[in-house]
Amino acid sequence: EVQLVESGGGLVMPGGSLRLSCAASGFTFGSYSMSWVRQAPGKGLEWVSSISSTSSYIYYADSVKGRLTISRDNAKNSLYLQMNSLRAEDTAVYYCARGDWPDYWGQGTLVTVSS
Amino acid sequence: DIQMTQSPSSLSASVGDRVTITCRASQGIRNDLGWYQQKPGKAPKRLIYAASNLQSGVPSRFSGSGSGTEFTLTISSLQPEDFATYYCLQHNSFPLTFGGGTKVEIK
Repeated sequence: EVQLVESGGGLVMPGGSLRLSCAASGFTFGSYSMSWVRQAPGKGLEWVSSISSTSSYIYYADSVKGRLTISRDNAKNSLYLQMNSLRAEDTAVYYCARGDWPDYWGQGTLVTVSS
Repeated sequence: DIQMTQSPSSLSASVGDRVTITCRASQGIRNDLGWYQQKPGKAPKRLIYAASNLQSGVPSRFSGSGSGTEFTLTISSLQPEDFATYYCLQHNSFPLTFGGGTKVEIK
């Protein structure tokens, strides 16, 4: 069974940093690209970033470019999102998802940016 | 960037109704489109991939069609568990873009 479990969310002040993690199991992690998608409270889905299976390509939404960094460790079956210079508009549930056109999603982790 | 225009943004329907949701792409995306269902407080669930292929385990009352710039998700006979918000997603090119969502409510 495919499982994706996010962690690392929480309350952070504007300008602060946070690192999200996604632990994958139930599939060959190193064979799949992975993505982060977020959803602000009461809003729709917004794609954030994707990374290929070998990290050879990485893409970001313009809204996060230069502040958020996606990475992965295939030996640890883990996906990461380093979030720096956080803003109030980054407040959202962050989902880890398998693939560029995601089929499986984690349950999400809430990031709240507020003073 | 490819814009995805989804309509309607909301609809009210009764159990047993046929429901149709549309997504239009600002440029051709072949069949690089998926449909997702999201219930409150839950992660999205993929229903349809490659515009018209039913995800394993998804009831056959769900179907997708279209290619190029216009796509449709149809629920042939709405069931109580189908009341949710539906999104399309284009993956033809980065940045990936979602439609704005369609909230299906009980009439």
